[in-house]
Amino acid sequence: DVVMTQSPLSLPVTLGQPASISCRSSQSLVHSDGDTYLTWFQQRPGQSPRRLIYKVSNRDSGVPDRFSGSGSDTDFTLKISRVEAEDVGVYYCMQGTHWPLWTFGQGTKLEIK
Amino acid sequence: QVQLVESGGGVVQPGKSLRLSCAASGFYFSSYGMHWVRQAPGKGLEWVAVIYYDGSKESYADSVKGRFTISRDNSKNTLYLQMNSLRAEDTAVYYCVRDSDYWGQGTLVTVSS
Repeated sequence: DVVMTQSPLSLPVTLGQPASISCRSSQSLVHSDGDTYLTWFQQRPGQSPRRLIYKVSNRDSGVPDRFSGSGSDTDFTLKISRVEAEDVGVYYCMQGTHWPLWTFGQGTKLEIK
Repeated sequence: QVQLVESGGGVVQPGKSLRLSCAASGFYFSSYGMHWVRQAPGKGLEWVAVIYYDGSKESYADSVKGRFTISRDNSKNTLYLQMNSLRAEDTAVYYCVRDSDYWGQGTLVTVSS
């Protein structure tokens, strides 16, 4: 089974400063169709998860452009260029390449320092 | 707009059964694969099951295989999760998810004597 490992698990950030979350997979996430199904979710306190980024680097509609995704193969990163108060929550990466099973990372809790 | 509304959660004794429902609206339900994802209190996200758009195939996490059954009724735009032989470790908020882009608000299942 694919294992997704996020770091750090806790991320205190000063408002206006950048933040970066790493996600590593135990197997390549390149699908036979050529795409890489690595997704990032944000879960604000008390809310359902919300998709931010799909296929490594594609931002969902309504997601601020301060969020960006990058990476390839087994190594991926979510970056927030300037953290705002509304970004507080837990961020999860997820692989969908080895369908039909989804595998989530452990989650990274972002808080304001 | 896309809406996914789960129902059917509650408190149930170990070994008993429960059926969750997810009413979908705002999109062509029969065109999408649908998932159940759960989140134990204070924990991360765990994928539970998926069903193809036409109901032709299902897949399950090892933790629920043989106990849970996912199904759908495309004529009613509704997704189901039949949960049998429930255990304390099944206690979680259960989310209905379209593909990966839309999540319901979740329904809480508590397994306790």
